[in-house]
Amino acid sequence: DSGVTQTPKHLITATGQRVTLRCSPRSGDLSVYWYQQSLDQGLQFLIQYYNGEERAKGNILERFSAQQFPDLHSELNLSSLELGDSALYFCASDAGGLLDTQYFGPGTRLTVL
Amino acid sequence: DAKTTQPTSMDCAEGRAANLPCNHSTISGNEYVYWYRQIHSQGPQYIIHGLKNNETNEMASLIITEDRKSSTLILPHATLRDTAVYYCIVRSSWGKFQFGAGTQVVVTP
Repeated sequence: DSGVTQTPKHLITATGQRVTLRCSPRSGDLSVYWYQQSLDQGLQFLIQYYNGEERAKGNILERFSAQQFPDLHSELNLSSLELGDSALYFCASDAGGLLDTQYFGPGTRLTVL
Repeated sequence: DAKTTQPTSMDCAEGRAANLPCNHSTISGNEYVYWYRQIHSQGPQYIIHGLKNNETNEMASLIITEDRKSSTLILPHATLRDTAVYYCIVRSSWGKFQFGAGTQVVVTP
């Protein structure tokens, strides 16, 4: 158990819909990262938040957005869902310092039908 | 961040040491080598990391060559539960890891 929690574990929805994935970082960690893992793309970095502020952006679509709240939990919002958005979404956290080790949550499996 | 090259797959007999190679020929002086593994769609699990000295923890050993252009992760006594995809990542700056395709390790009885 990494200490990072993600809900829900599974999500099944239809094209065009909007969903919200939630992540609670390890106790004491200030930084949260979101990654997407699809069958043909591997693990792709989406976005990073540090203490409520966006710090880095990766291959995140405009239909996707994220935020980190004052209690440091984070939400990833996916809208206008397409079949290709079906994937595992992982959250990771670290203390926010240079080269701190990232610990990953168990992931949310999103299926878009 | 420097790119890494790993074999696509490898098999290992249970109880034997598994030696996983990684090439990172473009690594620069301030870049660390990290290893993670992912067991069947679970979240990636941190194994070990190092800069230039060899490192050992309860899970594995990391051997980095003197020129730092390659490294080897050693699982000293592989078990069936070590079957996973192993990722070698070179990281220099804040935040994100760039995951490659990794090495699929299958431990057989």
